[in-house]
Amino acid sequence: GEDVEQSLFLSVREGDSSVINCTYTDSSSTYLYWYKQEPGAGLQLLTYIFSNMDMKQDQRLTVLLNKKDKHLSLRIADTQTGDSAIYFCAASYSGSARQLTFGSGTQLTVLP
Amino acid sequence: DGGITQSPKYLFRKEGQNVTLSCEQNLNHDAMYWYRQDPGQGLRLIYYSQIVNDFQKGDIAEGYSVSREKKESFPLTVTSAQKNPTAFYLCASNDRVGRAIGELFFGEGSRLTVL
Repeated sequence: GEDVEQSLFLSVREGDSSVINCTYTDSSSTYLYWYKQEPGAGLQLLTYIFSNMDMKQDQRLTVLLNKKDKHLSLRIADTQTGDSAIYFCAASYSGSARQLTFGSGTQLTVLP
Repeated sequence: DGGITQSPKYLFRKEGQNVTLSCEQNLNHDAMYWYRQDPGQGLRLIYYSQIVNDFQKGDIAEGYSVSREKKESFPLTVTSAQKNPTAFYLCASNDRVGRAIGELFFGEGSRLTVL
């Protein structure tokens, strides 16, 4: 089955850019997602990208997809303390609702 | 406002007891899901339901049970057969119409601790 890997921790200074990386194993993954989880709360969808796209930008967020290397990244420009959270990468291929695999999450800490 | 409500937010249980976690949505979504989250791990799917009166096992269904008698409700029972029930439980939903399969709406979660 699909396996999605992320590094567990990332620290950045306020105002710098953050880059959170993710790799996946199933080349048939059609949709790739980034979710944010604040402490003690549920997940919130930030953005997603289709496998036929290389890049998607949404305000401070930029998603890059390298299908050849099965690598996905999320860049947050001008990182703020309110961006401190756990960020989950998730991958799915079209079809069953069941086929959504989450990574272990990256804890982003923004230092003042 | 539309959303997903989970209750209780915190729950303590003694070993050998069954507990039921509530999940209610007013988004008119057909599909609902239960996930388990453990520290440093991704979310793991317990059960999901794509329509009323129907549900399917996920990856870690053993020791859990669900029902889907109403579109807006999808309660999860953690039975005494679940060997390691202490975890954070998340309920989610989506309507799957005009949306990518993974666009899930999540509740705030329920933290279960077994004493």
